[in-house]
Amino acid sequence: EAGVAQSPRYKIIEKRQSVAFWCNPISGHATLYWYQQILGQGPKLLIQFQNNGVVDDSQLPKDRFSAERLKGVDSTLKIQPAKLEDSAVYLCASSPDGYSNQPQHFGDGTRLSIL
Amino acid sequence: AQSVAQPEDQVNVAEGNPLTVKCTYSVSGNPYLFWYVQYPNRGLQFLLKYITGDNLVKGSYGFEAEFNKSQTSFHLKKPSALVSDSALYFCAVRISGGSYIPTFGRGTSLIVHP
Repeated sequence: EAGVAQSPRYKIIEKRQSVAFWCNPISGHATLYWYQQILGQGPKLLIQFQNNGVVDDSQLPKDRFSAERLKGVDSTLKIQPAKLEDSAVYLCASSPDGYSNQPQHFGDGTRLSIL
Repeated sequence: AQSVAQPEDQVNVAEGNPLTVKCTYSVSGNPYLFWYVQYPNRGLQFLLKYITGDNLVKGSYGFEAEFNKSQTSFHLKKPSALVSDSALYFCAVRISGGSYIPTFGRGTSLIVHP
C-alpha cells in the first residue's frame, strides 16, 4: 500500500510569512494526525482528525496555526504568521480508525526553517 | 495526564552485542505502549506495541520489549545489534480505550559501532 504522502519536503520562509503543508493519508484511514517535531524532542501532537471532524486540537496554537480536512481525506496545516520558534519538522500520520491500540503510519515530514 | 521518559539521550553498543533502550511511563489508567524508529530525514516507523497479554512483545527487525507494570517500564531490547539499527528510537504511550492522544518521549539515539 502507498504510505502517507507529505509535501513539500522542505520549506524556508522569513518570520511573519505564511506557509502551508499538505498531507495525503493512507487510503481508507479515517484518522489523521499532525505533529510538530522540534530538533532534539519527540513529536508533539498538534491536531487529530476523525474523518473531517476534529477529535483533539488542545495543543494547536490557534492564534497562528490552522488545519482542515474538508473531505475527510487530504489535510492542510497552515501557519500564519510564522515565528522563529516554529522551525521544526511537521509530521503527518494516519491510522485506520484512531483507537488507542493502533499504531500510526507516518509520512516523511516537512522540514520548516524560519529565517 | 500522561508522560514518557527516555532517560538516555544516546546509547552506544558494539555490533553483535545486546542492546537496551529504556522507557518509563506515567499514565492514569491502563497504558498502551509503542516503540517507533526514525531514520535521518524520514518519518517514524512502528516497531512494536504492548496492548495486553504477554509482557514480552516481539516486533519488527528482531526487536522486542518487556512491559513491567510495577516499574512502569517498557524497555526495548535486541539480542544482537546491527550497524543498520543505528537510528533514533521513540517510546510512546496512550491511555487504553477510546482514542486518547499519544505522548512521545524525547527519543534515544542508538549508535551501533562496527
